[in-house]
Amino acid sequence: EPEVTQTPSHQVTQMGQEVILRCVPISNHLYFYWYRQILGQKVEFLVSFYNNEISEKSEIFDDQFSVERPDGSNFTLKIRSTKLEDSAMYFCASSGLEREQYFGPGTRLTVT
Amino acid sequence: RKEVEQDPGPFNVPEGATVAFNCTYSNSASQSFFWYRQDCRKEPKLLMSVYSSGNEDGRFTAQLNRASQYISLLIRDSKLSDSATYLCVVNNPLHTGTASKLTFGTGTRLQVTL
Repeated sequence: EPEVTQTPSHQVTQMGQEVILRCVPISNHLYFYWYRQILGQKVEFLVSFYNNEISEKSEIFDDQFSVERPDGSNFTLKIRSTKLEDSAMYFCASSGLEREQYFGPGTRLTVT
Repeated sequence: RKEVEQDPGPFNVPEGATVAFNCTYSNSASQSFFWYRQDCRKEPKLLMSVYSSGNEDGRFTAQLNRASQYISLLIRDSKLSDSATYLCVVNNPLHTGTASKLTFGTGTRLQVTL
């Protein structure tokens, strides 16, 4: 069964450093997403991406965040200058023409 | 009012019991509805989509009431492996044919015991 994959599974970084989280969506999917979940809180939408551009972004997704689809398979989330409050699980998701979104296993980001 | 509201639980039930979760949503323009399950520190996994006519998948039955903006999930004959957090999720597409965001509830924790 096809699945979304994410790397790394865990990233530790110092405040102010740049991080890039990587995702490989399901191969025939067209829509890509990033969500985050701070420990003990609900899953929150960050950004959606379709046809090589951002479709929608949340208030969380400020100028420090960017997304890219550098080739036909990868989808990345970059945080330019990490803050302590960026510590969270970051989930990538993808969907096809149907509205059901499938999530990757997540990257746990710890900012120290 | 929260966009998606759920009773956080926990619901502690014995194996074999029937348990029901409820959820309300505030945006009447929401178009698609789902139940996901999430195990501790894992990703949300799609359990089932929820249709206006109601739908069933084995021991799981989901119902949607658009007029009341209410979604439910019924689990019959609970198994130990059903222990997880159940997330009520709604989808609000900006435009038809575009990517759209999911809005999650905080989840209802279920613990099934022997």
